[in-house]
Amino acid sequence: GENVEQHPSTLSVQEGDSAVIKCTYSDSASNYFPWYKQELGKRPQLIIDIRSNVGEKKDQRIAVTLNKTAKHFSLHITETQPEDSAVYFCAARWVGGSQGNLIFGKGTKLSVKP
Amino acid sequence: EAGVAQSPRYKIIEKRQSVAFWCNPISGHATLYWYQQILGQGPKLLIQFQNNGVVDDSQLPKDRFSAERLKGVDSTLKIQPAKLEDSAVYLCASSLTGTGGGYTFGSGTRLTVV
Repeated sequence: GENVEQHPSTLSVQEGDSAVIKCTYSDSASNYFPWYKQELGKRPQLIIDIRSNVGEKKDQRIAVTLNKTAKHFSLHITETQPEDSAVYFCAARWVGGSQGNLIFGKGTKLSVKP
Repeated sequence: EAGVAQSPRYKIIEKRQSVAFWCNPISGHATLYWYQQILGQGPKLLIQFQNNGVVDDSQLPKDRFSAERLKGVDSTLKIQPAKLEDSAVYLCASSLTGTGGGYTFGSGTRLTVV
């Protein structure tokens, strides 16, 4: 089945700096890659996603890039703010399964220092 | 639109007891998922329903976990008997279809087994 590796597990940046989180996946047939933000004690919330027919997608301060050949995708947050502090999860849709459920990485705890 | 509803929010039980969680997905969402999120890890799929049918329960510990979605709307997840290692947040999520896009998660049920 699909396996998703996420790095780093923790990331600390100064406010205003950029943050990059990287994920790799194992199933070359995976076609959908969302990113979720989870604040302490709250539900994971979808912040951006990308499909396999697109190489990059941007939404204000966040962007996601996908390299299908290398089977990796990355989340980029620019001009970080304290409210960006949370755990971020990448995921890949495993099309080898019956209905293509999402397989999640282990998460990256991002801390933005004021 | 109303989100994914889950109850209870918190539950503390002793090992070997039984417990049940309830989920009501977003109206019209055909696909419902139960995920287990152990502290410090990413969500792990337990079971996926398409309407009232199970499409993936390969990672559900069937000797103690069961789930149903009888009328294709709300769902219950049961653990009997519970073990200490079942302590986790149980997240329910739903999507319009299983292959379309990201999920919407509920707030989860935090289970502590003592």
